[in-house]
Amino acid sequence: AQSVTQLGSHVSVSEGALVLLRCNYSSSVPPYLFWYVQYPNQGLQLLLKYTSAATLVKGINGFEAEFKKSETSFHLTKPSAHMSDAAEYFCAVSDPDKVIFGPGTSLSVIP
Amino acid sequence: DTGVSQDPRHKITKRGQNVTFRCDPISEHNRLYWYRQTLGQGPEFLTYFQNEAQLEKSRLLSDRFSAERPKGSFSTLEIQRTEQGDSAMYLCASSLIPQETQYFGPGTRLLVL
Repeated sequence: AQSVTQLGSHVSVSEGALVLLRCNYSSSVPPYLFWYVQYPNQGLQLLLKYTSAATLVKGINGFEAEFKKSETSFHLTKPSAHMSDAAEYFCAVSDPDKVIFGPGTSLSVIP
Repeated sequence: DTGVSQDPRHKITKRGQNVTFRCDPISEHNRLYWYRQTLGQGPEFLTYFQNEAQLEKSRLLSDRFSAERPKGSFSTLEIQRTEQGDSAMYLCASSLIPQETQYFGPGTRLLVL
């Protein structure tokens, strides 16, 4: 079965600083990979997804992620953090018809 | 396209009572999924439907849980004889085809007293 690990349950960055959220997956075949964001008391919103078309995936709100097969990683980055980016971020992998989520990383942005 | 909707948004019940949640997927989406999310955790898969057929159920879905999608449109998730451990956010998602993006509803937060 697929699994996803997210290093760091909580990450704090200063406003304007680089955001880096780490994700590693276990998969024997190239998977579909996703990053979702969840704001308090809301459902999940898709930030971006990897479907093997390109290793660097651009998403909404200035986020992007790079698929590295050799490292089985799919880390999420944003060059400059904004206060509105404070939320819970989930990395996920298709398995194959359902989605397996990681435990999440809570992002805090310090003014 | 109005998105995935869930009803109710919040439910408080006493232990031992039955509860039912409803999910309305995006119209024309064939796939409908249910997940459960406890505090501080990622969503955990419960079950999914392809049209009206329930194709997979997680081991998390005990005998007290039942889900239906009678006409391939909306779905219901019923929990019988609720326990305090059932307290969680229940999320519904839909997608047009397998492995396509799943769009999530706002969730139903259940509290069992």
